Amino acid sequence: KAGVTQTPRYLIKTRGQQVTLSCSPISGHRSVSWYQQTPGQGLQFLFEYFSETQRNKGNFPGRFSGRQFSNSRSEMNVSTLELGDSALYLCASSLGVGRGAYEQYFGPGTRLTVT
Amino acid sequence: AQTVTQSQPEMSVQEAETVTLSCTYDTSESDYYLFWYKQPPSRQMILVIRQEAYKQQNATENRFSVNFQKAAKSFSLKISDSQLGDAAMYFCAYLGNTGNQFYFGTGTSLTVIP
Repeated sequence: KAGVTQTPRYLIKTRGQQVTLSCSPISGHRSVSWYQQTPGQGLQFLFEYFSETQRNKGNFPGRFSGRQFSNSRSEMNVSTLELGDSALYLCASSLGVGRGAYEQYFGPGTRLTVT
Repeated sequence: AQTVTQSQPEMSVQEAETVTLSCTYDTSESDYYLFWYKQPPSRQMILVIRQEAYKQQNATENRFSVNFQKAAKSFSLKISDSQLGDAAMYFCAYLGNTGNQFYFGTGTSLTVIP
């Protein structure tokens, strides 16, 4: 079974631009979560999507948004990029429902650099 | 909100020796899940071991085992017979019964000395 894939793996953008990151979950997984990882803040939860609906949201500004498609693939968008948005963005998928079904499997991440 | 604390930013262990990584958490829930994830320099997070709070028996996966103390809200990871490939950042994570959001600790960087 293929793992979680994220594209692109590396991205360089300038301040003020917007960016879209993509995540394809493991086949059969309906939940996709996004995290921002930085050396100073560690892993911070952005949001989680389940069956095309945002089920939970972390404490990030509205510039960070996401969506999920009917095939469970998810995209994350960051608008008006700031230098502080430079980070590794990790996506994780899980079955998302049922006891014991929340085990998350992570993708390799997208390294975003904002200049 | 739940918090997860890893008080050891860095640890080192001699190859073939045993090391224990500490993790404490704060929650008012009675039913939850705890995880240890490993993030090698390649950056891919890998699930190491999982513990369900309602299970009293400590989880074990080959050389990896946990010491789960529910009353003390402690969840330590023991790595036996350490190998060079164990060198990585280790994250402790908490997941409540609703299953909607993981809370991660700040990580422990483990170095394995040959």
